[in-house]
Amino acid sequence: QSALTQPASVSGSPGQSITISCTGTSSDVGGYNYVSWYQQHPGKAPKLMIYEVSNRPSGVSNRFSGSKSGNTASLTISGLQAEDEADYYCSSYTSSSTLWVFGGGTKLTVL
Amino acid sequence: QITLKESGPTLVKPTQTLTLTCTFSGFSLSTSGVGVGWIRQPPGKALEWLALIYWDDDKRYSPSLKSRLTITKDTSKNQVVLTMTNMDPVDTATYYCAHSSDTTVTNDYWGQGTLVTVSS
Repeated sequence: QSALTQPASVSGSPGQSITISCTGTSSDVGGYNYVSWYQQHPGKAPKLMIYEVSNRPSGVSNRFSGSKSGNTASLTISGLQAEDEADYYCSSYTSSSTLWVFGGGTKLTVL
Repeated sequence: QITLKESGPTLVKPTQTLTLTCTFSGFSLSTSGVGVGWIRQPPGKALEWLALIYWDDDKRYSPSLKSRLTITKDTSKNQVVLTMTNMDPVDTATYYCAHSSDTTVTNDYWGQGTLVTVSS
């Protein structure tokens, strides 16, 4: 069982917006502004899409945005495109001995 | 340009020790704030953080696996090595190494991963 809770799946049509939630505790998501989001296509390594809750690395589309409220972080993808279909994982720095914890992953299907 | 690549055996037997090497370029593990860590992903399952070594040789381990893990670095070779003892079939996974820094406080660059199967 993963430390952070994500919905198993979400779906949307091209052009629409979707939001993926990531719920943790005050020891991780709620306690630090160090939430990251990763995109993983089948057979590929995770790719960093968002770090420090809402920052985008260079080269990541501005269709991807992140936010946080209390112990829940969210990833929003606007203007859905076919290539956005992938698994998405959240991660948070934590005060425990485990430096980082991950969510269970959310499969995004573009209809 | 930061790149990382994992290498090691693809198949190990139960109870054996796994040794994985991460060879990287584009950064130095002697630079303040930099770290290299390991994360694994069983087939069809979620990511699991394992260990991290910092530029100053500070080491952190997943509490659930700490007794089985050792992480070391060779700065001159740009390599980080992870050993995991007493391998079990449940340890079958793709093992990734990743770069981190105090700039992003996350695992920002990842290797391609290497699939390790534990089977007799």
